[in-house]
Amino acid sequence: VQLLESGGGLEQPGGSLIISCAASGFTFSSFAMNWVRQAPGKGLEWVAGISGGGGNTYYADSVKGRFTISRDNSESTLYLQMSSLGAEDTAVYYCAKPRGYCSGSNCYWDFDYWGQGTLVAVSS
Amino acid sequence: AIRMTQSPSSLSASTGDRVTITCRASQGISSYLAWYQQKPGKAPKLLIYAASTLQSGVPSRFSGSGSGTDFTLTISCLQSEDFATYYCQQYYSFPTFGQGTTVEIK
Repeated sequence: VQLLESGGGLEQPGGSLIISCAASGFTFSSFAMNWVRQAPGKGLEWVAGISGGGGNTYYADSVKGRFTISRDNSESTLYLQMSSLGAEDTAVYYCAKPRGYCSGSNCYWDFDYWGQGTLVAVSS
Repeated sequence: AIRMTQSPSSLSASTGDRVTITCRASQGISSYLAWYQQKPGKAPKLLIYAASTLQSGVPSRFSGSGSGTDFTLTISCLQSEDFATYYCQQYYSFPTFGQGTTVEIK
């Protein structure tokens, strides 16, 4: 399993950015995928998740309405579209493959594979 | 959201020591608890899931226990490569993490 994030960089407050995660080594469409972030010197924060088929998406309250998670199963690629960025969004963003499953409106996700991360910095 | 509280926030230990880290959930989470190790500049690595099940390839000196609200991660004989930050994570509902425990060299 390999997860390779890209697309991070410096963005101005209020701006938008799309980051990507290219997956290989497993049947991508069979697994939900997630984004987890880590602000500099801080702990881990789950950001968003998406079902294997892409039909169900889930967000942390801190990003709901500003971030959109999506996937292209034909390209084995996960995306995170970020808008209305603020300083509080500055973080390393990891894509992560969950080990668990979803049932109804709840998902039981821990993460057995992580990418190396991509840094998103929001500053004027 | 379920809040996860780890203690201590940091500790100093020597190679060969037995180290215990605790994690408390703000509500019962059954055994939906994972532990991760993270080294500087690297992604987290899954050590334990379902509170006590060792992830494949993880050394047996790592062990986990607990259920409900109180959990522990134990490293039975600390090795040089174990100096790192450890996080607990609940997955009873959408994931939340503890604030981390840094294990430093004494």
